[in-house]
Amino acid sequence: GIQVEQSPPDLILQEGANSTLRCNFSDSVNNLQWFHQNPWGQLINLFYIPSGTKQNGRLSATTVATERYSLLYISSSQTTDSGVYFCAALYSSASKIIFGSGTRLSIRP
Amino acid sequence: DSGVTQTPKHLITATGQRVTLRCSPRSGDLSVYWYQQSLDQGLQFLIQYYNGEERAKGNILERFSAQQFPDLHSELNLSSLELGDSALYFCASSVVGAVQETQYFGPGTRLLVL
Repeated sequence: GIQVEQSPPDLILQEGANSTLRCNFSDSVNNLQWFHQNPWGQLINLFYIPSGTKQNGRLSATTVATERYSLLYISSSQTTDSGVYFCAALYSSASKIIFGSGTRLSIRP
Repeated sequence: DSGVTQTPKHLITATGQRVTLRCSPRSGDLSVYWYQQSLDQGLQFLIQYYNGEERAKGNILERFSAQQFPDLHSELNLSSLELGDSALYFCASSVVGAVQETQYFGPGTRLLVL
């Protein structure tokens, strides 16, 4: 079946560091989303990015659809960036959204 | 605050019981999504509604059902509950439910089945 894999599963960084999170997907997607779940459980939609690059402040994302991967970059990390980052692939042919297992990011002060 | 509300925030019940989770979308949003987040299964898409009609179905069990009412609020009904149904259930809404739209998530309902 369709698979969405994220790496690394865990990442611990000092405040101010930069990080790159990766999402690989096994089939052509209609869209690719990145979410952040903060330590209180709240889910925030970060990017819709089926291809190309988008930036929002210190966060940016790039999806290379032909090679079936997406990257989320976080620059100058802050403690509020801590939480779990999920990517989700949208396949309209299958009418479903499939999530990766997440990357748990911990930013130390 | 996303504008999406979910009630109740917490629910504790016993195996075999039935519960109803409620979601009110953001004002003006016509589409509602339900997601389940459990420790063993991770985050899963359950079902999507648009203006009262089912639009997409994910990994929703037959024991679960949902509907969206004329006032656009949605309810997720879970019956014959099992221990493994313990999870955080999220509702999200978007304007018309297109794949490129931002989905706004509610705070979730945490269900514990004992």
